[in-house]
Amino acid sequence: QKEVEQNSGPLSVPEGAIASLNCTYSDRVSQSFFWYRQYSGKSPELIMSIYSNGDKEDGRFTAQLNKASQYVSLLIRDSQPSDSATYLCAVNRNTGRRALTFGSGTRLQVQP
Amino acid sequence: DAEITQSPRHKITETGRQVTLACHQTWNHNNMFWYRQDLGHGLRLIHYSYGVQDTNKGEVSDGYSVSRSNTEDLPLTLESAASSQTSVYFCASSPRQGDTGELFFGEGSRLTVL
Repeated sequence: QKEVEQNSGPLSVPEGAIASLNCTYSDRVSQSFFWYRQYSGKSPELIMSIYSNGDKEDGRFTAQLNKASQYVSLLIRDSQPSDSATYLCAVNRNTGRRALTFGSGTRLQVQP
Repeated sequence: DAEITQSPRHKITETGRQVTLACHQTWNHNNMFWYRQDLGHGLRLIHYSYGVQDTNKGEVSDGYSVSRSNTEDLPLTLESAASSQTSVYFCASSPRQGDTGELFFGEGSRLTVL
């Protein structure tokens, strides 16, 4: 079982719709959770971090965390073609090996 | 502006050769990381460092080594390149001591081993 699992996609949504990206993790001691966006041929960039159960909103992005279910999600409202990218979920233990473990990413395609 | 740079950006080498990928950051971050990215595997951690003279193995460290002699640089060496090490390599740094999740990535180095 991978430590961080994501559906590889592609997830295709029409422009203006809500895109929902999901991620599960296996290590219960994970403390912090991140979403990175990676455009084709580019390096990843951080778009959201979340540390507590519940929702965290930043502009059109909402991260959701449920530690009991070991589940993290990212919602993108009013999706734009410029949101088309691969979204990487990452988790951090914050103890021991303090380095991010990444999922393999979900490719999002927003259709104009 | 502070930044993180990798070199070379593209390299082709032959099996068995030693290769070093450079990573240089000007943010004065203590934490630095090397990841490789392959289709279907996402980003996998190779080595990481929390400061000068500190190095640690990640999940795919076999065949790789790093050294940290100053804050700015974390070079990654492939002792004897293998075709399985053909990949895109990303260096990253992080400013925080406790939570190292906010990573700033270099532009990547694409390595092909023939």
